[in-house]
Amino acid sequence: DIQMTQSPSSLSASVGDRVTVTCRTSQTIMTYLNWYQQIPGKAPKLLIYAASNLQSGVPSRFSGSGSETDFTLTISDLQPEDFATYYCQQSYDSPFTFGPGTKVDIK
Amino acid sequence: EVQLVESGEGLVQPGGSLRLSCAASGVTFRDYALHWVRQAPGKGLEFVSAITSNGDTTYYADSVKGRVTISRDNSKSTLYLQMGSLRVEDSAVYYCAVGQWLGRFDHWGQGTLVTVSS
Repeated sequence: DIQMTQSPSSLSASVGDRVTVTCRTSQTIMTYLNWYQQIPGKAPKLLIYAASNLQSGVPSRFSGSGSETDFTLTISDLQPEDFATYYCQQSYDSPFTFGPGTKVDIK
Repeated sequence: EVQLVESGEGLVQPGGSLRLSCAASGVTFRDYALHWVRQAPGKGLEFVSAITSNGDTTYYADSVKGRVTISRDNSKSTLYLQMGSLRVEDSAVYYCAVGQWLGRFDHWGQGTLVTVSS
């Protein structure tokens, strides 16, 4: 199975900040990497697919980059509704594993 | 608007069985790969199972392999997860998700809670 790690596991930030979350995989997955946002008590929501493609309806302050084994999610100009947990997930091979999550909370 | 509605929530004893359903609307059901993802209380997301758009191929996490069966009825736009030999560690909110590609979760249901306890 492909193992996923994320860093940091949590971070505190202020509205307007630029936030970066990193995801690393145990083997190359090309760009088969997706990012999800989960607000407590809600279902996850797809933000970015194939490493850098913004899902329809997702604000442009979200962006993704990377390939092979190293990936990044960036939120520019953090908004109050962005305080949530973010998960990376590989769709290269089953089982389609998730990272452990990064919780972004208010400083 | 895509809507996915899971049902089958319940409390079941260890060793018991349960069937989850996920009814879809607002999407051309037969064109999508379908998935189940679960989340234990306070924990992260875990892939459970997937099925291709035509239903020919299925995938399972090692943690559930041999105990669960995923299936779909394209005529009813419904996804199923038949679960057996349930364990306490299977307790979680189970989400169904549809994706344009296998392994990508474009849209999610609201989740249904499975509790395995004696």
